[in-house]
Amino acid sequence: AQSVTQLDSQVPVFEEAPVELRCNYSSSVSVYLFWYVQYPNQGLQLLLKYLSGSTLVKGINGFEAEFNKSQTSFHLRKPSVHISDTAEYFCAVERDDKIIFGKGTRLHILP
Amino acid sequence: NAGVTQTPKFQVLKTGQSMTLQCAQDMNHNSMYWYRQDPGMGLRLIYYSASEGTTDKGEVPNGYNVSRLNKREFSLRLESAAPSQTSVYFCASSERGGFYEQYFGPGTRLTVT
Repeated sequence: AQSVTQLDSQVPVFEEAPVELRCNYSSSVSVYLFWYVQYPNQGLQLLLKYLSGSTLVKGINGFEAEFNKSQTSFHLRKPSVHISDTAEYFCAVERDDKIIFGKGTRLHILP
Repeated sequence: NAGVTQTPKFQVLKTGQSMTLQCAQDMNHNSMYWYRQDPGMGLRLIYYSASEGTTDKGEVPNGYNVSRLNKREFSLRLESAAPSQTSVYFCASSERGGFYEQYFGPGTRLTVT
């Protein structure tokens, strides 16, 4: 069955520094992969998704992710974070017509 | 467009009480979902409705029931609340299932004492 593993439950990073949030998936078939973001006290919203085509996917707010089939990874990156990026980030995979979410990574921005 | 709305925003129940969480979407979406979010557990699917008139169990359905009242509305009922059901509940909708973007409501924070 398809699933995702987010390797870090929390990631602290200084403001204006780059960040990478790691996600690995398990699947032997074609995958549809997603990153969702949850700002404090809100519901989730889609950051970006990979369905097919270019392995580098650009999303909202300057985030991007790279699909790596050989390493079964879909890591999320941003070259320079801002205090407003403080949120929880969820990697997700499509399975049986539903979305399966990882356990989430909290991004803490340090001043 | 309001998107996905949920009521109530907060609720405190005593063990054994019942309640219904309401969800509505105004995007003419076919699919709707109920999730619960617990610390360190991510989001877990309780029930979903692929289209009007159909409902199916998700990962954690025990203790819950759902009703897809019409295309807009999808309610979640707790018949006899238990402390283990203390959680934040999110409703979501999407045009269809699978890889379509899901749109989330603001959540209901439920405490069962």
